[in-house]
Amino acid sequence: AQKVTQAQTEISVVEKEDVTLDCVYETRDTTYYLFWYKQPPSGELVFLIRRNSFDEQNEISGRYSWNFQKSTSSFNFTITASQVVDSAVYFCALSLYNFNKFYFGSGTKLNVKP
Amino acid sequence: EPEVTQTPSHQVTQMGQEVILRCVPISNHLYFYWYRQILGQKVEFLVSFYNNEISEKSEIFDDQFSVERPDGSNFTLKIRSTKLEDSAMYFCASSEALGYPAQYFGPGTRLLVL
Repeated sequence: AQKVTQAQTEISVVEKEDVTLDCVYETRDTTYYLFWYKQPPSGELVFLIRRNSFDEQNEISGRYSWNFQKSTSSFNFTITASQVVDSAVYFCALSLYNFNKFYFGSGTKLNVKP
Repeated sequence: EPEVTQTPSHQVTQMGQEVILRCVPISNHLYFYWYRQILGQKVEFLVSFYNNEISEKSEIFDDQFSVERPDGSNFTLKIRSTKLEDSAMYFCASSEALGYPAQYFGPGTRLLVL
């Protein structure tokens, strides 16, 4: 069975602090995809990144970076120099190659205070 | 960039009424999905649809729910007799093929059952 765990329910930081959101996944499949989504208060799901299971290269996009480690089944997301606009719920998700449907974590609510 | 659209953005209905939520997937996509998010909770898979039939459904997707692709562009979710617990955000997604996760979600329909 597939499972995504986001142990941090809520995190509060002060603007300009760095913050890391943790994601641990479980699957026996060897081919899968991992995702991060941002859900602002307006409710839509904003796609941030996709990683396939064969690509463990870390990625940086502006203030965002992702650390994928198969050895620990983790796909962590770091926001550098956080801003108030980063305040949202962030979801980690897993999708298997032949099934396409998503398994979402329970989300981490990030509060960035000015 | 192509996007998934959903209508209406908000719907309020009385318990026991039927509702139809509409989605327009990305035009060349073949696989379609509905997800549900009860307020404050994780996003949950409801159903996937391919070649005019359901390919997979979750235990949430009981006889009260049905999906249809009535024409070449729309994909609908019908709830026959709404219950209070059907109040949630409903997201539609689409993908072009297996192995290509439906990473782009529609903006969602917020359903409130009174």
